[in-house]
Amino acid sequence: GENVEQHPSTLSVQEGDSAVIKCTYSDSASNYFPWYKQELGKGPQLIIDIRSNVGEKKDQRIAVTLNKTAKHFSLHITETQPEDSAVYFCAERGGGFKTIFGAGTRLFVKA
Amino acid sequence: DAGVIQSPRHEVTEMGQEVTLRCKPISGHNSLFWYRQTMMRGLELLIYFNNNVPIDDSGMPEDRFSAKMPNASFSTLKIQPSEPRDSAVYFCASSLSNNEQFFGPGTRLTVL
Repeated sequence: GENVEQHPSTLSVQEGDSAVIKCTYSDSASNYFPWYKQELGKGPQLIIDIRSNVGEKKDQRIAVTLNKTAKHFSLHITETQPEDSAVYFCAERGGGFKTIFGAGTRLFVKA
Repeated sequence: DAGVIQSPRHEVTEMGQEVTLRCKPISGHNSLFWYRQTMMRGLELLIYFNNNVPIDDSGMPEDRFSAKMPNASFSTLKIQPSEPRDSAVYFCASSLSNNEQFFGPGTRLTVL
């Protein structure tokens, strides 16, 4: 069935360093891959997304890459700041409305 | 822009009681989603509606859970009777067709 695996579950980096979170999925029909950031006490918020016809997308300090052949996609955060500390979720969606979320990565950025 | 509105923000109840969670989606959005988030199981989709019609309720845990969307601006998720294992944060999200989902602030439910 549909499944998204996300690694690592916890990531600690020094301020200014880069952070990379990786996800794999199983559904070949998946064509939309959003990334969400969840801060304490709040709902998840979309930070970037990528569709299956694109291999890479960048928005300031964050970028997402997609390898459809290998069914991998990754989130890259450069020049990390303390306010980047949060839980990050990858997700995938096929042709319908159902979005499957990864288990989340807790990112700590140490000042 | 008010965003997705959920109420209550916190609910503490005793086992066996009925619990009703409420959601007002963003005006103009035609899809609404209910999620449950726990440490053990992460973020799980319970049910989603499109144009007020339930499309997929396969994530609803059991018959104790029910959801309704009587109109485009209101949805409820009801648990009757509630059990301690239902304790979780419940999120409502809405979207315009197949685009970005906007999440509400969530309702933290504690069943004693």
